[in-house]
Amino acid sequence: GEDVEQSLFLSVREGDSSVINCTYTDSSSTYLYWYKQEPGAGLQLLTYIFSNMDMKQDQRLTVLLNKKDKHLSLRIADTQTGDSAIYFCAESTVSGNTGKLIFGQGTTLQVKP
Amino acid sequence: ETGVTQTPRHLVMGMTNKKSLKCEQHLGHNAMYWYKQSAKKPLELMFVYSLEERVENNSVPSRFSPECPNSSHLFLHLHTLQPEDSALYLCASSQVVLRGRPGELFFGEGSRLTVL
Repeated sequence: GEDVEQSLFLSVREGDSSVINCTYTDSSSTYLYWYKQEPGAGLQLLTYIFSNMDMKQDQRLTVLLNKKDKHLSLRIADTQTGDSAIYFCAESTVSGNTGKLIFGQGTTLQVKP
Repeated sequence: ETGVTQTPRHLVMGMTNKKSLKCEQHLGHNAMYWYKQSAKKPLELMFVYSLEERVENNSVPSRFSPECPNSSHLFLHLHTLQPEDSALYLCASSQVVLRGRPGELFFGEGSRLTVL
């Protein structure tokens, strides 16, 4: 089956690094995603990683993928108050020609000044 | 501005009412989705339309009825809802791609539904 799990809450101090973890179940997922949802807004794609990669870095964001353990993490360096949001992990599956994304519950990141 | 617009942003309805949520995308995409977001639960995929045909219906109760008249518009018709249906309903669109990667999903800001 398809299932994505995340912890619900993370609190860090401004300037620290944040690490948000995710586990997924579908080993055939070709891409894994991180989406960000700010208050009152829809989800916005932050970054993604192809399943044959171990790591992807994009400015302050580092994504690590452990395919054996089906574990994905998002590290935000030098976390700012503007990073406070809900972060969703998602795995992709394909049915015919249509992809769909299965999301986790979302991790609320609270950044304290 | 993501290119996906949802209306209304907020809706309060009684259990006997009939209402509709509307979604419009200006991105030229050919797939549209309805997701339900409830507190502390995974985002729940309700319906997928690809090339205007419904390809996914995750056993959603029949009191939710989707309609996709063309590739730019998506509706969710609501009738005789229950209080537990109160949630944020998110619409998204993407470009269908072949052999693997689903196109990036672009989300609207959501319609916050409260059922009394």
